Amino acid sequence: DTAVSQTPKYLVTQMGNDKSIKCEQNLGHDTMYWYKQDSKKFLKIMFSYNNKELIINETVPNRFSPKSPDKAHLNLHINSLELGDSAVYFCASSHQGTNTGELFFGEGSRLTVL
Amino acid sequence: GDSVTQMEGPVTLSEEAFLTINCTYTATGYPSLFWYVQYPGEGLQLLLKATKADDKGSNKGFEATYRKETTSFHLEKGSVQVSDSAVYFCALPIQGAQKLVFGQGTRLTINP
Repeated sequence: DTAVSQTPKYLVTQMGNDKSIKCEQNLGHDTMYWYKQDSKKFLKIMFSYNNKELIINETVPNRFSPKSPDKAHLNLHINSLELGDSAVYFCASSHQGTNTGELFFGEGSRLTVL
Repeated sequence: GDSVTQMEGPVTLSEEAFLTINCTYTATGYPSLFWYVQYPGEGLQLLLKATKADDKGSNKGFEATYRKETTSFHLEKGSVQVSDSAVYFCALPIQGAQKLVFGQGTRLTINP
């Protein structure tokens, strides 16, 4: 039973399109995150939600819009996709923010923009 | 601001070799420190952690000691296996910001 699951795992699309990635966690955690991993494996936080409320919004273009319908789900919608958006996007969750430092990651969604 | 810096990779070793991956940190106060591992095609998972100075975290034969005097948290393993091939990330939480920042990752390849 997957703890943090993301869909789709792979996404190939054209520039200018709009796409969404969904994430669900069944761990009962109250905090969820989106991280972006570039081709050099560098990981950067994009957003964080705690109990459906946005608490971290890093310097991310407003083409990226997260939505958290409930504390078990955090979706990422991207408008007007650009070549530079190609990356692996990881969803993660934790209990009580990062005080314990343990994040549980999904397997990632590899987005390729052509 | 708070950050971690890892040794640049990639690192390639033969099976049973000794491994060290360096990590140094810059932080206000004394945050917990973490090593995460990412196996091919998977998400990151916590490998080990240390919550205060002089603590040693250990798991799966890996160890790292939180050294305040050198602001380091180097990852070590005495005898690596092919199955240890992965990308390793050092990380620390940003106090008050509820986020974890990661080092740039070190790709480790173990040859049989």
